[in-house]
Amino acid sequence: QSVLTQSPSASGAPGQRVTMSCSGTNSNIGSNTVNWYQQLPETAPKLLISSNVHRPSGVPDRFSGSKSGTSASLVISNLQSEDEADYYCATWDDSLNGVVFGGGTKLTVL
Amino acid sequence: QVLLVQSGAEVKIPGSSVKVSCKPSGGAFTTYAINWVRQAPGQGLEWMGRIIPFLGVSDYAHKFRGKVTFTADKSTTTAFMDLSSLRSEDTALYFCARQFYDVLTGPKDDPFDIWGQGTMVTVSS
Repeated sequence: QSVLTQSPSASGAPGQRVTMSCSGTNSNIGSNTVNWYQQLPETAPKLLISSNVHRPSGVPDRFSGSKSGTSASLVISNLQSEDEADYYCATWDDSLNGVVFGGGTKLTVL
Repeated sequence: QVLLVQSGAEVKIPGSSVKVSCKPSGGAFTTYAINWVRQAPGQGLEWMGRIIPFLGVSDYAHKFRGKVTFTADKSTTTAFMDLSSLRSEDTALYFCARQFYDVLTGPKDDPFDIWGQGTMVTVSS
């Protein structure tokens, strides 16, 4: 059971927009910033969004992040086949004194 | 571009220990932490803890205290994860990941910007 809650799966057709959510509590998302990671099949995770909204260099602007209260969202616009991957949210938990991850959302591009 | 290069796959018998290394491809240890993340087969990511190599200071997730030890060799700029008393449930892919942080607050929600390629540890009799 992960500390942060993500829907196990999401899907969309190429060109569509997909939203993934990440739900937490006041001790984690409510107090700290959220990072998102993309894990393509058989590869290491890659930083996708940092500090709720920032895209590292090289990440397409089709990916965007936001946070409100104790929840965060990742939006992928103009879905591409290469976006098919697992997506994880993560942040710091002040009560646990550690980094916590969501269980991950598996994105399928139809 | 800096890479984190991890040691190769390991096969261990139950009850033994394993030591996994993680070496930045360039540069000395500076103000960053090396975090360790576990991924069991078909499962999600799980934070194990971290070490700040420059200071030699480690923090461990509650679940892994007494089970794992992080060390760093500044002379070779290599970080290590030592996992003991291996059980079949420890079979997983182990990643190291770099995390820059604010020296005033210490590493918290700062992102893991670079990840190692992963080291598969298989525990089997």
